[in-house]
Amino acid sequence: NAGVTQTPKFRILKIGQSMTLQCTQDMNHNYMYWYRQDPGMGLKLIYYSVGAGITDKGEVPNGYNVSRSTTEDFPLRLELAAPSQTSVYFCASSHPPGGRDEQYFGPGTRLTVT
Amino acid sequence: KNQVEQSPQSLIILEGKNCTLQCNYTVSPFSNLRWYKQDTGRGPVSLTIMTFSENTKSNGRYTATLDADTKQSSLHITASQLSDSASYICVVSAVSFNAGNNRKLIWGLGTSLAVNP
Repeated sequence: NAGVTQTPKFRILKIGQSMTLQCTQDMNHNYMYWYRQDPGMGLKLIYYSVGAGITDKGEVPNGYNVSRSTTEDFPLRLELAAPSQTSVYFCASSHPPGGRDEQYFGPGTRLTVT
Repeated sequence: KNQVEQSPQSLIILEGKNCTLQCNYTVSPFSNLRWYKQDTGRGPVSLTIMTFSENTKSNGRYTATLDADTKQSSLHITASQLSDSASYICVVSAVSFNAGNNRKLIWGLGTSLAVNP
């Protein structure tokens, strides 16, 4: 199993540009998540999905959009990039919550908006 | 307010030594507590998950303890190795009543551990 894979690993965007961060998992997990991690800060939940066709907002959803057309894929879309979106983005997946809902993380995408 | 606080913020130890990292939380209602290891430039990797009824859990040289009464947890690393250099993050899961996501994770800021030869 490859686990959770993310592309790209690095990206530099100009203000106002758009891009999609890709995330794929091969563990047949229903739950998938997008987090951002700013320097010296804890992970913040952007969006999550409990299954194909179902998504919901996390703590910091503004400026982002997601879709979940398949169990495997959970792309994150930035429509109008802003410097405040400079961060490291992690995708994760898990079984449904219930005692031992361990989350498996991808390697991250380091995004810089200038 | 749900919070997770970790100490120390950073720690430097010599290879082969033991160390203990602390986590205090004010999270209610409590579901479980996790410790993650995050290597520089990588995603977090789960070390242990403990529910309310568990007060100790080991994973190789890592041993986590949980005192649900005092709302404290510790992560003890035995016979440290250079590869233990990483950030160790305490994460507490709170029961949430939002439809579809009945757990909310509160992430600590982590303890940055450096193991020197």
